[in-house]
Amino acid sequence: AQSVTQPDIHITVSEGASLELRCNYSYGATPYLFWYVQSPGQGLQLLLKYFSGDTLVQGIKGFEAEFKRSQSSFNLRKPSVHWSDAAEYFCAAQGEYGNKLVFGAGTILRVKS
Amino acid sequence: KAGVTQTPRYLIKTRGQQVTLSCSPISGHRSVSWYQQTPGQGLQFLFEYFSETQRNKGNFPGRFSGRQFSNSRSEMNVSTLELGDSALYLCASSLALLPGQGNSYEQYFGPGTRLTVT
Repeated sequence: AQSVTQPDIHITVSEGASLELRCNYSYGATPYLFWYVQSPGQGLQLLLKYFSGDTLVQGIKGFEAEFKRSQSSFNLRKPSVHWSDAAEYFCAAQGEYGNKLVFGAGTILRVKS
Repeated sequence: KAGVTQTPRYLIKTRGQQVTLSCSPISGHRSVSWYQQTPGQGLQFLFEYFSETQRNKGNFPGRFSGRQFSNSRSEMNVSTLELGDSALYLCASSLALLPGQGNSYEQYFGPGTRLTVT
């Protein structure tokens, strides 16, 4: 079955520190991959996407993600976290056809000053 | 360009009632998908509509239904509401071209409708 795993439910980092959120997927073929961010009471905002090609993708708000086929991973990174980055982050995967997104359980990011 | 809009934003219903939620996609987007978000189950796919046809369906009971109009606006309906239907219902729109027509598959989400069933 198709699945996306985010191993970390909560992560706390200090403001200015680097961040890495983990995501692993299990799909029959390499899916399209996405990271979304959700602030409390809000919808999901697309941070970045991977369809094919360059395995390091850049997104908005200074985020980047690296696709590693051998590890079935698509980890999200940011070199320096800001207090406004505190939110919940979702990794999602989608097959080649259709628009069904399969989401991970989410990682809540807390930023301490 | 205006984003995805959903109405109403908040709704309180009683068990056994039915509810209709509305979604207006980004202009030019032909696909609308619906997702349910709950603390226990997370984000789950309900269904997708493309050019007024349901193209994909998640694992939800028949009480959950939807439709899409010729202007791409979509509605979802939940009949005979249960307490467990309390959730944030998110709508997403996408260009969602047919296979072989391009690669613009990212989905943009609306703010959601918070449904509370009492």
